[in-house]
Amino acid sequence: DAKTTQPPSMDCAEGRAANLPCNHSTISGNEYVYWYRQIHSQGPQYIIHGLKNNETNEMASLIITEDRKSSTLILPHATLRDTAVYYCIVRPSNSGGGADGLTFGKGTHLIIQP
Amino acid sequence: GAVVSQHPSRVICKSGTSVKIECRSLDFQATTMFWYRQFPKQSLMLMATSNEGSKATYEQGVEKDKFLINHASLTLSTLTVTSAHPEDSSFYICSVRGSTEAFFGQGTRLTVV
Repeated sequence: DAKTTQPPSMDCAEGRAANLPCNHSTISGNEYVYWYRQIHSQGPQYIIHGLKNNETNEMASLIITEDRKSSTLILPHATLRDTAVYYCIVRPSNSGGGADGLTFGKGTHLIIQP
Repeated sequence: GAVVSQHPSRVICKSGTSVKIECRSLDFQATTMFWYRQFPKQSLMLMATSNEGSKATYEQGVEKDKFLINHASLTLSTLTVTSAHPEDSSFYICSVRGSTEAFFGQGTRLTVV
C-alpha cells in the first residue's frame, strides 16, 4: 500500500468545518483513498473512500486533487463527538472481502474545541 | 454495513494465565477476519489474518504459539492469548472486510497483572 502523510494533530472549533489533509504522492492508479476514524477506546469506523472523483456521504466529503497525490477529508459541521484520530489509508479497493489487512499510519488527532 | 461484535470488552487476568477473545460477525459471513493490536498512544498493528477452516496467517514478529487463532465458522473467530504477561496488555481489535470497506469490533482491553 502507498505511504500516506498526515499532520499529527489539529484543532477545530465546534460547528466549523474540519479539513484534514493527507499526502499520498506515491499512489498507484488502482489505489483508492480511504478514511477511517477511531474514537478513544473504540474500534475504527469507516468514513468514506474515493478513487479520483470527489465523494460525499452523510458523514463527510472527500476532495481528491486532480493528480491524486493528496486529498482532504471535510467534516462540514464538526461536533465534540468528532474528536478522534483520523486515518488516511491508500490501497486497492476489493470485492468479495479481500485478503489483506489494513496498514494504519499514525493518523491525525482531531480535537474539536467547544 | 456489517456489524462486528467482540467479547469481552475488558478483561483483567493474572500473569501466566490464558485469555480468549471472541469476534463475531453478526450479519455477514466472513471467510477472513483480521486481528489487530494497539498499544497506548500508538496506531493499530495487524497481528494475523484468520481464515475460516484453515490456519491463520501471522505477521512477522507475532508468535503463533502465543496468540492462538481459531476461525471455526463463518461468523466467529477467537484469539487466545496464552501464558499472558504484562507486556501483552493492549487493546485487541478484530475486523471483517466488506465488499469495499472494513468493519471493526469495539475492541477488547486486556490488562495482565
